[in-house]
Amino acid sequence: KAGVTQTPRYLIKTRGQQVTLSCSPISGHRSVSWYQQTPGQGLQFLFEYFSETQRNKGNFPGRFSGRQFSNSRSEMNVSTLELGDSALYLCASSYHNEQFFGPGTRLTVL
Amino acid sequence: GESVGLHLPTLSVQEGDNSIINCAYSNSASDYFIWYKQESGKGPQFIIDIRSNMDKRQGQRVTVLLNKTVKHLSLQIAATQPGDSAVYFCAENIAGNQFYFGTGTSLTVIP
Repeated sequence: KAGVTQTPRYLIKTRGQQVTLSCSPISGHRSVSWYQQTPGQGLQFLFEYFSETQRNKGNFPGRFSGRQFSNSRSEMNVSTLELGDSALYLCASSYHNEQFFGPGTRLTVL
Repeated sequence: GESVGLHLPTLSVQEGDNSIINCAYSNSASDYFIWYKQESGKGPQFIIDIRSNMDKRQGQRVTVLLNKTVKHLSLQIAATQPGDSAVYFCAENIAGNQFYFGTGTSLTVIP
């Protein structure tokens, strides 16, 4: 069974731009969660989607948003990028709480 | 200026020895926990999980112990190998599939 895939793997943007990251969960998994990982803050929960609905949300500003499609694929969007948004963005798909991560998208904001 | 990162606890062990990595969690109502291994440049890899109705669970070369009284988890790795070198995280289920992650422990295996 294929694992969680994330695209793109690397991204460079400049301040003020917006970015969209994509995640395809493991087949059959309906829950997708997004996390931000930085050296300063560690792994922090952004939000979770289940059956196209946001089910849980972390403490991030409204510039961070997401959505999930009927095939469970998910996207997250960050608008008006700031330098501090540089991070590894990780997507995890879940089935009955067991959570499996993708390789992440490394976003650099210049 | 210099960026300040999380201070990661570190553990160095000789190849072949057993490793014990500890984690304190915050919410006494949490009922599900996962240990992850993260190698440089990769996403966290699921190692083993445990539910709060258990106090011990064993996998291949790994054992997780849960002490709900003191809100403590440990991961034991038997016969540690160089490939075990990585950062290890415990994750606590908060709600739905939202997890709170610890700061991680960096394990170095000395050949």
